[in-house]
Amino acid sequence: NAGVTQTPKFRILKIGQSMTLQCTQDMNHNYMYWYRQDPGMGLKLIYYSVGAGITDKGEVPNGYNVSRSTTEDFPLRLELAAPSQTSVYFCASSPTRDTAYEQYFGPGTRLTVT
Amino acid sequence: GQQVMQIPQYQHVQEGEDFTTYCNSSTTLSNIQWYKQRPGGHPVFLIQLVKSGEVKKQKRLTFQFGEAKKNSSLHITATQTTDVGTYFCARPRGGSARQLTFGSGTQLTVLP
Repeated sequence: NAGVTQTPKFRILKIGQSMTLQCTQDMNHNYMYWYRQDPGMGLKLIYYSVGAGITDKGEVPNGYNVSRSTTEDFPLRLELAAPSQTSVYFCASSPTRDTAYEQYFGPGTRLTVT
Repeated sequence: GQQVMQIPQYQHVQEGEDFTTYCNSSTTLSNIQWYKQRPGGHPVFLIQLVKSGEVKKQKRLTFQFGEAKKNSSLHITATQTTDVGTYFCARPRGGSARQLTFGSGTQLTVLP
């Protein structure tokens, strides 16, 4: 299994541009998440999904959108990029078993908005 | 009420010394998780604690969940350079164990 994969690894955006961060997992996990991590800080939940077709806002959803058309894919869309969105973005997934809440993270996308 | 306070923020130790990081909540937790993030890497799940007073060991790492389920600690015995990284605790967000609120982390530096 490849686990959780993310593309691109790095990206530089100009203010006002848009982009989609891709996330795919091959572990058949129902639960998927998007986090951002600012330098020297913990992770903040942007959006999450409990299964295909179902998404909900996390702690910091403003400026982002998500979709979940398949179990495997959970893309994150940035519209009208702002410097405050400069961060490292991590996608994660979690097993469906009742007592297994651990999250598996992708390698991250480092985004700079200038 | 939804936050977890993690201390210390930074810790420098000589290789071979012990290290402990603490995670504190003002409310009772249903469970707590610990993750490690190497410099430039992604968080990796270490363990989940569920029971009051629970103690779990992974080689040189010892994890504890307080009796009141409001605090937790991670202790590393005889640190090695491979232990370098940031250690995060994470608590359930709201009423769901499926969503996490992460602490701000403890950044461990091990000096050879």
